[in-house]
Amino acid sequence: AQSVTQLDSQVPVFEEAPVELRCNYSSSVSVYLFWYVQYPNQGLQLLLKYLSGSTLVESINGFEAEFNKSQTSFHLRKPSVHISDTAEYFCAVSGYQKVTFGTGTKLQVIP
Amino acid sequence: EAGVAQSPRYKIIEKRQSVAFWCNPISGHATLYWYQQILGQGPKLLIQFQNNGVVDDSQLPKDRFSAERLKGVDSTLKIQPAKLEDSAVYLCASSHPSGRYNEQFFGPGTRLTVL
Repeated sequence: AQSVTQLDSQVPVFEEAPVELRCNYSSSVSVYLFWYVQYPNQGLQLLLKYLSGSTLVESINGFEAEFNKSQTSFHLRKPSVHISDTAEYFCAVSGYQKVTFGTGTKLQVIP
Repeated sequence: EAGVAQSPRYKIIEKRQSVAFWCNPISGHATLYWYQQILGQGPKLLIQFQNNGVVDDSQLPKDRFSAERLKGVDSTLKIQPAKLEDSAVYLCASSHPSGRYNEQFFGPGTRLTVL
């Protein structure tokens, strides 16, 4: 069995401030980890993924996430947020052919 | 490359009525998924197809929900009869299986409101 916990349902942050969205997971098998972003009235888009290799992964728009096996975490960070980052972010874990999503964190960027 | 298409985008029905959603996956993607996303929750997998066979439907309420994927391409998800708690966004996703890792591509979803 596998599960994902996103402790923060909403995170308000001022524009140009740093942000961290937390994600913890549990699984009985080795996993792949993902962050998806969902803008209003749209489907989910893959933001970044950890499959293997370097534990620090980056997206093209400045987000990064670090896989920490000992803490079973995959927190998402950005050093300086923009208004356009306002969206809902979902952490997901993939075991063998099965993906489980967290409940999501709404990032609200305040001008 | 065209993305995953879904229709309709929005649907409002009364409880006990029937409704159907349609999904056209990305060309060449053998795996198709239907998710239910209730407001404030993450997507929950309802059913997963590999070509036109069902891989996982363990969380599909089979007394009222049904899905089919004829010819291994398009898929239809039906609810009959609908209940108030079925109000949600129904997301379709597809992937091209390649080993253990299957990146899923999502459609825009169908927002269902049951009154």
